[in-house]
Amino acid sequence: GAVVSQHPSRVICKSGTSVKIECRSLDFQATTMFWYRQFPKQSLMLMATSNEGSKATYEQGVEKDKFLINHASLTLSTLTVTSAHPEDSSFYICSARDFASYNSPLHFGNGTRLTVT
Amino acid sequence: GEDVEQSLFLSVREGDSSVINCTYTDSSSTYLYWYKQEPGAGLQLLTYIFSNMDMKQDQRLTVLLNKKDKHLSLRIADTQTGDSAIYFCAVGNPRGGTYKYIFGTGTRLKVLA
Repeated sequence: GAVVSQHPSRVICKSGTSVKIECRSLDFQATTMFWYRQFPKQSLMLMATSNEGSKATYEQGVEKDKFLINHASLTLSTLTVTSAHPEDSSFYICSARDFASYNSPLHFGNGTRLTVT
Repeated sequence: GEDVEQSLFLSVREGDSSVINCTYTDSSSTYLYWYKQEPGAGLQLLTYIFSNMDMKQDQRLTVLLNKKDKHLSLRIADTQTGDSAIYFCAVGNPRGGTYKYIFGTGTRLKVLA
């Protein structure tokens, strides 16, 4: 089945630094990828939709200058948390679907646990 | 706006059946999914159903869809301790190639030995 690879799985960084998270579709092409954030014991919150070759679409309340998204190829999207602060600590999950298959469901990466100290 | 609701907790004994329920508001939803999330991991697609189907069975999993009531359920037969996880339902509707999936709040299933 379709595989989405997300790296790193866990990162600890100091306040004020930036962190990049990668999301790759391994065996399919994805013109669109989605970035979610999940708080402890809560559901997923869609942050943004990443579009290959164009600007990402951000959900209301998500700061686009803080969460930079780049979707440079059909198999890779990156999320950079800039000038991270402790309140950015969370579980970030990416997902993608095979755009060649109309009925294809979303497939998820294994998530990245970000801790900002 | 669009909303997807699930009960937060479910506890069952090993070997019993589990039924996890989900209600949604967007009647135009065409794809309905069930995902499983184990601690510290991403979401694993379990099964999905299209809106033109009423029921889908896949080994121990049975999905029922009541479009009139906008109600989706996931039944796990012979529930095992390894089934303990959070289960999310999600509804989606592709419009012009743009997808937006709305996730439920997740149901935490606890299986008692």
